[in-house]
Amino acid sequence: AQSVTQLDSQVPVFEEAPVELRCNYSSSVSVYLFWYVQYPNQGLQLLLKYLSGSTLVESINGFEAEFNKSQTSFHLRKPSVHISDTAEYFCAVSDLRGYNKLIFGAGTRLAVHP
Amino acid sequence: ETGVTQSPTHLIKTRGQQVTLRCSSQSGHNTVSWYQQALGQGPQFIFQYYREEENGRGNFPPRFSGLQFPNYSSELNVNALELDDSALYLCASSLKTGSSYEQYFGPGTRLTVT
Repeated sequence: AQSVTQLDSQVPVFEEAPVELRCNYSSSVSVYLFWYVQYPNQGLQLLLKYLSGSTLVESINGFEAEFNKSQTSFHLRKPSVHISDTAEYFCAVSDLRGYNKLIFGAGTRLAVHP
Repeated sequence: ETGVTQSPTHLIKTRGQQVTLRCSSQSGHNTVSWYQQALGQGPQFIFQYYREEENGRGNFPPRFSGLQFPNYSSELNVNALELDDSALYLCASSLKTGSSYEQYFGPGTRLTVT
């Protein structure tokens, strides 16, 4: 079985500051890793994913995440945040077997202040 | 291509009643998954349907049931509603190719049980 731990429930940050949202996972098998973003009153949008290959993955809006197998982590970073990045961020894993069930963390609320 | 849509947007039911939530998959997708997101928590996997058959189930009781239709739209049915069933219900569609595939989420249905 897999599990995901998001170490911070809330992260307040000022606009244009860097941010890191932490995610650790536990699994006895190889997994795929995902970050989803949820804006208020909306569904989930895929931000980025790691399936294989380069351990550093990037999104189109400046976020990046690095897969660290030895530390079982997949932290999300952005060098300079905007007010519009205020949202709930969810880390998720799925294993490589059978169906693609996503196991989510509890979420991190990113609040960007002017 | 159209995205994933869900209906209704909001719903209020009384304990003990039954409810049906609907989801229209993204065009061309043959797999649909349902998730329950309680307030302040990450989504929890309920079940998945692939080509009209259940293809995996999470830790939810049998009163949670589903259907997938030939056009790949889907329903989630919940019988004997309990107060703890109050949550945002998300469906996600995907095209099953290989062992992993990206899931596209709908905006969700907010269910309140009183």
